Amino acid sequence: QKEVEQDPGPLSVPEGAIVSLNCTYSNSAFQYFMWYRQYSRKGPELLMYTYSSGNKEDGRFTAQVDKSSKYISLFIRDSQPSDSATYLCAMTFTSGTYKYIFGTGTRLKVLA
Amino acid sequence: ETGVTQTPRHLVMGMTNKKSLKCEQHLGHNAMYWYKQSAKKPLELMFVYNFKEQTENNSVPSRFSPECPNSSHLFLHLHTLQPEDSALYLCASSRQADSSGNTIYFGEGSWLTVV
Repeated sequence: QKEVEQDPGPLSVPEGAIVSLNCTYSNSAFQYFMWYRQYSRKGPELLMYTYSSGNKEDGRFTAQVDKSSKYISLFIRDSQPSDSATYLCAMTFTSGTYKYIFGTGTRLKVLA
Repeated sequence: ETGVTQTPRHLVMGMTNKKSLKCEQHLGHNAMYWYKQSAKKPLELMFVYNFKEQTENNSVPSRFSPECPNSSHLFLHLHTLQPEDSALYLCASSRQADSSGNTIYFGEGSWLTVV
């Protein structure tokens, strides 16, 4: 079983839709959860960084962590064609470590 | 502009060539990393440097040789690569390798094709 599972997609949605991107994980020791956005032929950029369970909101983006279900989500409201990218989840055990475990990424296409 | 600059952005090399990838970070960070990103695979951590000292070599074949002359610059020297080494090589940096609130920032990557 992979430590982090992420549906590769592609996920195609119409402009303006609410997008839900998800990752499941197997190790209950993960405490810190991140979402990165990666445009085609570019490096990943950090979108959201959350600790433990709960929600965190930043503009149109909401990150949600459910540690009891070992499930994390990224919601994008009012999706735009410019949101078309691959979204990578990542997680780690402590705040200071570089040992991130990444998902394989979900490719999102927002259609105008 | 992420503050982490990689050159070249694209590289095609033969299996007998020797080439190098270069990374420079302008963020004042002390830790630098090399990752490999292949299609449909998670990011693979290759090497970690913290304050210019290599702190991790993640079982990377010796045909990949990193060099970190200072905290701002990182190189990946390549020689006698195999076609399966074709991938996106990402450089990254963070404040330091083990510190509270550490966040990793990536460069735009170097696309490597081995022919």
